[in-house]
Amino acid sequence: NAGVMQNPRHLVRRRGQEARLRCSPMKGHSHVYWYRQLPEEGLKFMVYLQKENIIDESGMPKERFSAEFPKEGPSILRIQQVVRGDSAAYFCASSPTAGTGGYGYTFGSGTRLTVV
Amino acid sequence: QQQVKQSPQSLIVQKGGISIINCAYENTAFDYFPWYQQFPGKGPALLIAIRPDVSEKKEGRFTISFNKSAKQFSLHIMDSQPGDSATYFCAASLNSGGSNYKLTFGKGTLLTVNP
Repeated sequence: NAGVMQNPRHLVRRRGQEARLRCSPMKGHSHVYWYRQLPEEGLKFMVYLQKENIIDESGMPKERFSAEFPKEGPSILRIQQVVRGDSAAYFCASSPTAGTGGYGYTFGSGTRLTVV
Repeated sequence: QQQVKQSPQSLIVQKGGISIINCAYENTAFDYFPWYQQFPGKGPALLIAIRPDVSEKKEGRFTISFNKSAKQFSLHIMDSQPGDSATYFCAASLNSGGSNYKLTFGKGTLLTVNP
């Protein structure tokens, strides 16, 4: 079992470019969550997705950010027209059922986005 | 509004000592309190968790103490080892209701255990 796979591990983008972060959940997991960790901050919830559905995107910035989890393939977190403030570590977690309090969550190793 | 406050920000302990990290929460609807351990370059990994119907939970060298009336909980690491050096996050969530999948994290404590 390969665990939750995130790629790329490190991503550098210039201001104004697009960033695409990928997350492949654990085998058998159909629930995906994205969290963002700003420097010296705890992780903050961004979005919860099930296959082909966005369940809760209350933590997503209103503009430039979007997420999807298609029927086939990984979940994608997309950030358009990146700005320096988007520099952070982005973590994906998955669970086999709707995670109660994070119970059953498995986190990936994250993607470190740097905007220059 | 920071719903889970964690202290200290950093902690240095000698090998064999006790490491204590404290958290306080505001939302009385929280009823599941996990602790996560994160090594550099890795994602958080669940270490131990407690529900408010018990005041203490122990797993090996790790113990959570929970004080419901004070809305506080803490992690104690007994006989701390250099391999315990990591960042520790407390978190909280609802056990039921519409948002029970969502974790609210503290800011983290960087623990360094000196040999």
